[in-house]
Amino acid sequence: GAGVSQSPRYKVTKRGQDVTLRCDPISSHATLYWYQQALGQGPEFLTYFNYEAQPDKSGLPSDRFSAERPEGSISTLTIQRTEQRDSAMYRCASSSGSGRGGTGELFFGEGSRLTVL
Amino acid sequence: AQSVTQLDSQVPVFEEAPVELRCNYSSSVSVYLFWYVQYPNQGLQLLLKYLSGSTLVESINGFEAEFNKSQTSFHLRKPSVHISDTAEYFCAVSAPGAGSYQLTFGKGTKLSVIP
Repeated sequence: GAGVSQSPRYKVTKRGQDVTLRCDPISSHATLYWYQQALGQGPEFLTYFNYEAQPDKSGLPSDRFSAERPEGSISTLTIQRTEQRDSAMYRCASSSGSGRGGTGELFFGEGSRLTVL
Repeated sequence: AQSVTQLDSQVPVFEEAPVELRCNYSSSVSVYLFWYVQYPNQGLQLLLKYLSGSTLVESINGFEAEFNKSQTSFHLRKPSVHISDTAEYFCAVSAPGAGSYQLTFGKGTKLSVIP
């Protein structure tokens, strides 16, 4: 697509429910990132993909968080058994760089705001 | 690991006045530096970046930032702000030698331009 698209834009869920967020990156971009941004904070890295490979998931806060990009395009971020502390804006970004290539510019979607009651 | 400090969480400034948004970073390796801007109800977008070469970089809308290696700073400046510059500004750093362009962000500075 022309830009990075995320859905849903807003999600309200009850504690203990599972949530899946979706990201559709710019079609030519090899690399896709997930960030979590709590209120009043900057975005914090969760994980990234080079095509379908996931070289780094060190930022995922617990094993309740998982991400997939099975065909190297659309990605999903799933949070199982949600907790109130998971409430945040979840941002997806893509870039043309693969590993050490590219200019380092990330293109962000508008984000998915998750509220856990 | 890298870290970014933006000391000012909010900066109010009158229209047509100059502004400086401060950013300091720490890193044990060479870094790339970025300023991203988030306008109300929009996603983050790149404002300007320093990769190499000239330490002074400029954006198309009049912002500039200077990379100062000795002071580990990358402050953002504009000589005369407009109402439309009201937004949240994030400084970010990456260490591409580590194999990806994972960005580490500061906490952001909210710039409010007062008419």
